[in-house]
Amino acid sequence: KQEVTQIPAALSVPEGENLVLNCSFTDSAIYNLQWFRQDPGKGLTSLLLIQSSQREQTSGRLNASLDKSSGRSTLYIAASQPGDSATYLCAVGHYDYKLSFGAGTTVTVRA
Amino acid sequence: DVKVTQSSRYLVKRTGEKVFLECVQDMDHENMFWYRQDPGLGLRLIYFSYDVKMKEKGDIPEGYSVSREKKERFSLILESASTNQTSMYLCASSLGLLGYTFGSGTRLTVV
Repeated sequence: KQEVTQIPAALSVPEGENLVLNCSFTDSAIYNLQWFRQDPGKGLTSLLLIQSSQREQTSGRLNASLDKSSGRSTLYIAASQPGDSATYLCAVGHYDYKLSFGAGTTVTVRA
Repeated sequence: DVKVTQSSRYLVKRTGEKVFLECVQDMDHENMFWYRQDPGLGLRLIYFSYDVKMKEKGDIPEGYSVSREKKERFSLILESASTNQTSMYLCASSLGLLGYTFGSGTRLTVV
């Protein structure tokens, strides 16, 4: 069974610092990996999707890398802002259409 | 952009009631999913459907059923609501093995 781990569980940084969020998974037979953002009491918003054949994806201040062989993905958020405060979830996509989720990293950006 | 709409943001129901949670997507995705999210347990898959009238059990199907009569609509049914079904319910859809899109969630409280 796929196990997805996100470290750290929580992170607090001053505004302007770069954020580094880590995700590891145990089974490298994945189809893709998706990073989501979740605000308190809300649904999930997709940030970046990386196909298993890709090494990274970028969108604005966000960059996600994928090393399938070592079972790792990293989400980088440059020049953090208070509006980046949220929980970030990593989800591994499988060939049976299902997702395996990590527990998330809760980020607080202090103004 | 794909939109996944969940009919209610908040619901309060009594123990023993039959509860319907509705989800509609507007981009002709063949796959639809129901998850529940609980503190400390993360997101867990209840049921998913990969075509009209097709359904498969996820990790925690007990106490739930689903209906998919039309491609755009996927309903989650709590046959006899219980207090341990108090949770955040999230609907999602996907096109094949491409990324997921989630709805904004329904916070269900069973009293």
